[in-house]
Amino acid sequence: GAVVSQHPSRVICKSGTSVKIECRSLDFQATTMFWYRQFPKKSLMLMATSNEGSKATYEQGVEKDKFLINHASLTLSTLTVTSAHPEDSSFYICSARGTRGRAGETQYFGPGTRLLVL
Amino acid sequence: AQKITQTQPGMFVQEKEAVTLDCTYDTSDQSYGLFWYKQPSSGEMIFLIYQGSYDEQNATEGRYSLNFQKARKSANLVISASQLGDSAMYFCAMREGLQGAQKLVFGQGTRLTINP
Repeated sequence: GAVVSQHPSRVICKSGTSVKIECRSLDFQATTMFWYRQFPKKSLMLMATSNEGSKATYEQGVEKDKFLINHASLTLSTLTVTSAHPEDSSFYICSARGTRGRAGETQYFGPGTRLLVL
Repeated sequence: AQKITQTQPGMFVQEKEAVTLDCTYDTSDQSYGLFWYKQPSSGEMIFLIYQGSYDEQNATEGRYSLNFQKARKSANLVISASQLGDSAMYFCAMREGLQGAQKLVFGQGTRLTINP
């Protein structure tokens, strides 16, 4: 099946620093990637849709200057949490949708990144 | 309005029994896709099964099958012969439209526990 990697898997940072999370599709080209946030025991909340070569589309209530998204190639999207604060601590998970075949119908998820801001 | 509803916050099933996880959806689109994902305690979201709104037959993937009842707008996941490793959170999701890059909307999830 389609494979999506995410790095780092876990990060602890001090308040005020920026953290970059990478999402890569390993065996297929992803025209669109999605970034989600998940609080403990809750469902996934879509933050933004990232399209290769264009600006990301953010969901209502998500600060685009706070959560910078870059989709520089068909296999890589990055999420940068700028000036992180403790309330940004969460589980961030990306997904990628392929261009054709089975991957084109389905979003495949990365393993997620647990962010803890002290 | 909630687009995806999973009414079972938790379920407990004996090993080897079949289990049905409920999912109802709400959409006015004619073209849409329905998905089930499994999320173990590690956090990764594992794709299980997909059903397109125009698919005439219920989707099946190994021990997983999707009981698609279009008129009732339900897309229940059936796991046959449950195993201890099936214990996890299960999310139902819908994508409206079959073309393009429409986002997924997730239900609140059902925590399934398989007892030995």
